[in-house]
Amino acid sequence: GESVGLHLPTLSVQEGDNSIINCAYSNSASDYFIWYKQESGKGPQFIIDIRSNMDKRQGQRVTVLLNKTVKHLSLQIAATQPGDSAVYFCAETKGSNYKLTFGKGTLLTVNP
Amino acid sequence: IAGITQAPTSQILAAGRRMTLRCTQDMRHNAMYWYRQDLGLGLRLIHYSNTAGTTGKGEVPDGYSVSRANTDDFPLTLASAVPSQTSVYFCASSESEGQPQHFGDGTRLSIL
Repeated sequence: GESVGLHLPTLSVQEGDNSIINCAYSNSASDYFIWYKQESGKGPQFIIDIRSNMDKRQGQRVTVLLNKTVKHLSLQIAATQPGDSAVYFCAETKGSNYKLTFGKGTLLTVNP
Repeated sequence: IAGITQAPTSQILAAGRRMTLRCTQDMRHNAMYWYRQDLGLGLRLIHYSNTAGTTGKGEVPDGYSVSRANTDDFPLTLASAVPSQTSVYFCASSESEGQPQHFGDGTRLSIL
C-alpha cells in the first residue's frame, strides 16, 4: 500500500527561530491531511488539518502548506519555543475513508 | 476535561494470557480506532469502528479483537498475548470520516 514519509527524522532549531517540518505523500487520491504533535509519554495531539481544495491554512503560530503537484506537505512553526519540542507526524487519508496513514515522524528539538 | 480515557496506563503480561485494553470517550464521537506504535514503524491501525455496532479491520488486526456495544466504549482484546504484541497502544476517536482523530495517552504493554 501507499504510505506517507518524512524527509528528515530530526530537526534542531534555536528558540525563536521558525521551524519547517516536511512530509511527502505518495497517494494522489488523498484529500485530507493532518499534522499531529506527540510529546514523550503522551498520545498524538491534533495541531492543524488541511483539505486538498486548499494550499495553505494558518493556525496559532502554525501554518500548513500543501503542494499537490509534488505531493508535499509542510508544517511551519513560527517563533519556535522549547514547549514545541516533540515528534511531529503527518497523516493522510481520502475524505470518505476513516483510516489515516501516518508518517514515521520528525523529532523537533528546540535549543534555548 | 472531555476526551479519551485509556486503562490501564501500563501493564506487564505473561505470554499466553488474555488482556483487554479499555477505551472510553465522552465526546459522543461516532468513530473510534485502535493503533499500536512501535519504534521505527510509526502508528499502525489495528481495528476501527465507524459507529456503534460496527467494526472493521485495520492494517495489523491479527491477534486482536474489538467490540463496540455503545458509542462511548471500544475495548481491545488480546486473546492470547505474544511477545510481538509488546507495544504502546493508542485509542482515538473522530466525529465522523474526514474529521481529525483525537487520541488518548496510551497503554504501554509488555508481553514477557
